[in-house]
Amino acid sequence: NAGVTQTPKFRVLKTGQSMTLLCAQDMNHEYMYWYRQDPGMGLRLIHYSVGEGTTAKGEVPDGYNVSRLKKQNFLLGLESAAPSQTSVYFCASSYSSDYASTDTQYFGPGTRLTVL
Amino acid sequence: AQRVTQPEKLLSVFKGAPVELKCNYSYSGSPELFWYVQYSRQRLQLLLRHISRESIKGFTADLNKGETSFHLKKPFAQEEDSAMYYCALSGQVTGNTPLVFGKGTRLSVIA
Repeated sequence: NAGVTQTPKFRVLKTGQSMTLLCAQDMNHEYMYWYRQDPGMGLRLIHYSVGEGTTAKGEVPDGYNVSRLKKQNFLLGLESAAPSQTSVYFCASSYSSDYASTDTQYFGPGTRLTVL
Repeated sequence: AQRVTQPEKLLSVFKGAPVELKCNYSYSGSPELFWYVQYSRQRLQLLLRHISRESIKGFTADLNKGETSFHLKKPFAQEEDSAMYYCALSGQVTGNTPLVFGKGTRLSVIA
């Protein structure tokens, strides 16, 4: 199993350009998440999905859109990139269990995005 | 509101010394607490969770509801423990509520 993969690994954009980050998981997980990691800020949740066809906003959703058309994929889009979106983006997924506990999140390797 | 505070950005200890990474949380209910670790050039991964009460790589963490803390401890630090450590909280008992992460503490173990 590849686990959680992210495409691309690196990207440089100019202000105003758009792009899509792809996250894929082969663990049949219901839940998927997008985080951004910034120095001194930790990980902050952008958007998440609790199943195919569903998405929800996280802590910092502005300037981003997401789609979950297939269970294994979770796309993060930047319609008009801004320098403030320069960050490392991490995708994660987790299983949906019937137990009253939160399951382990499995992370991808990250995408380093620079917006000039 | 859910909040996780890791007061130390950087913690440096000598090899063989005890290490304690502090984590305090704010949540009105019964939280689930986690420690995630990110080694250099590796992806973030779960280190331990309080409901398991496990010891992973010599690390332990006890949930103290009175002090709202979940400090990570290891009696003898090793060089390979150098990494970024994140404390995280899930505030809902059922389902997979997204985690709230602290800002992280970088542990540096000096030989």
